[in-house]
Amino acid sequence: QKEVEQDPGPLSVPEGAIVSLNCTYSNSAFQYFMWYRQYSRKGPELLMYTYSSGNKEDGRFTAQVDKSSKYISLFIRDSQPSDSATYLCAMIDTGGFKTIFGAGTRLFVKA
Amino acid sequence: EPEVTQTPSHQVTQMGQEVILRCVPISNHLYFYWYRQILGQKVEFLVSFYNNEISEKSEIFDDQFSVERPDGSNFTLKIRSTKLEDSAMYFCASMLSSGGAGELFFGEGSRLTVL
Repeated sequence: QKEVEQDPGPLSVPEGAIVSLNCTYSNSAFQYFMWYRQYSRKGPELLMYTYSSGNKEDGRFTAQVDKSSKYISLFIRDSQPSDSATYLCAMIDTGGFKTIFGAGTRLFVKA
Repeated sequence: EPEVTQTPSHQVTQMGQEVILRCVPISNHLYFYWYRQILGQKVEFLVSFYNNEISEKSEIFDDQFSVERPDGSNFTLKIRSTKLEDSAMYFCASMLSSGGAGELFFGEGSRLTVL
């Protein structure tokens, strides 16, 4: 079983749609959960950061963590063509030295 | 805004040649990383570096790989004898502090093509 599972997509939605992205993980030591966004041929950049279970909202983006189910989600409201990118879930365990990434989901938002 | 810079942006090399990829992390950051992304695949952890030594490495990071911080600003990844399967985008990243307090800041990447 992979440490972090993420559907690579691609996911294609019309502009204005609500997008739901998610990951599952197997390592219960993961405590810190992130979503990174990666545009084509660029390095990933941090989008959202959550510690332990719960929700976090930042503008059109909401991150959810359910540690009991080992499941994390990212919701994008009112999606825009500029949101078209690859979204990577990422996790750090309590040791804290390395960030483990999911495979990334490619999102296309059509105008 | 401070950023991580990487050189070269693209390097083409022959199989068996040595390659050095260079990175300048953000100046006050303490933790340094190399990640690799084969085209169309996931971002994979290679190595983390803190306090002038490797803190963790993956199984990918075998004896042909090495890292160095020679002068307090540059952070290099050396591949001694490149193989075809080393062709990938290599990302350098730095972090101010470890664990959950830390956001990884990535460079733009160095694309390595091994022929």
